[in-house]
Amino acid sequence: GQNIDQPTEMTATEGAIVQINCTYQTSGFNGLFWYQQHAGEAPTFLSYNVLDGLEEKGRFSSFLSRSKGYSYLLLKELQMKDSASYLCAGMDSNYQLIWGAGTKLIIKP
Amino acid sequence: DTAVSQTPKYLVTQMGNDKSIKCEQNLGHDTMYWYKQDSKKFLKIMFSYNNKELIINETVPNRFSPKSPDKAHLNLHINSLELGDSAVYFCASSGNGPSQRTGELFFGEGSRLTVL
Repeated sequence: GQNIDQPTEMTATEGAIVQINCTYQTSGFNGLFWYQQHAGEAPTFLSYNVLDGLEEKGRFSSFLSRSKGYSYLLLKELQMKDSASYLCAGMDSNYQLIWGAGTKLIIKP
Repeated sequence: DTAVSQTPKYLVTQMGNDKSIKCEQNLGHDTMYWYKQDSKKFLKIMFSYNNKELIINETVPNRFSPKSPDKAHLNLHINSLELGDSAVYFCASSGNGPSQRTGELFFGEGSRLTVL
């Protein structure tokens, strides 16, 4: 079966760094996506990885290891506005997205 | 201009009623989707249309009927609403041209349906 696992909730301090992990099992693999979803709002695209390694985009970076079926999203210099749910999604061989339940990130001052 | 817009944003109705949610995208995308996000926050795909043709129809009760009059619109009609239909319904679109990242979805703001 296809499955995406990520922690339900994490807490971090403003200005710190946090890493949100995701493990995936998909039928075939065409990439791994991270989306951000603020409460009551739509998900918005953050990153896409299809090759192994780290992709950096400002304060956010995303890492992929295909051999381990593992990805993480790294958030640096945390700001209060980063409080949101972070959704991991794997794309299978049919180019369909398989979604995790999201990790709720709580930022404390 | 809003890229993906859906209406209404909030919908409260009684069990057994029929309701519709409309979605329009002005991004020129070929593919549109309906997702359901329940209280557990899982995003579950319901339908996907590519150029007005149905390409994904997940295990969804046939009380749910999508309609795509053109590739910029994908509406969702729900008959005989049940309590378990209460959720947030997201419309989304994606492009599949060479300059567009396959799988990057652009979501509407969501329509929160409450069935009483």
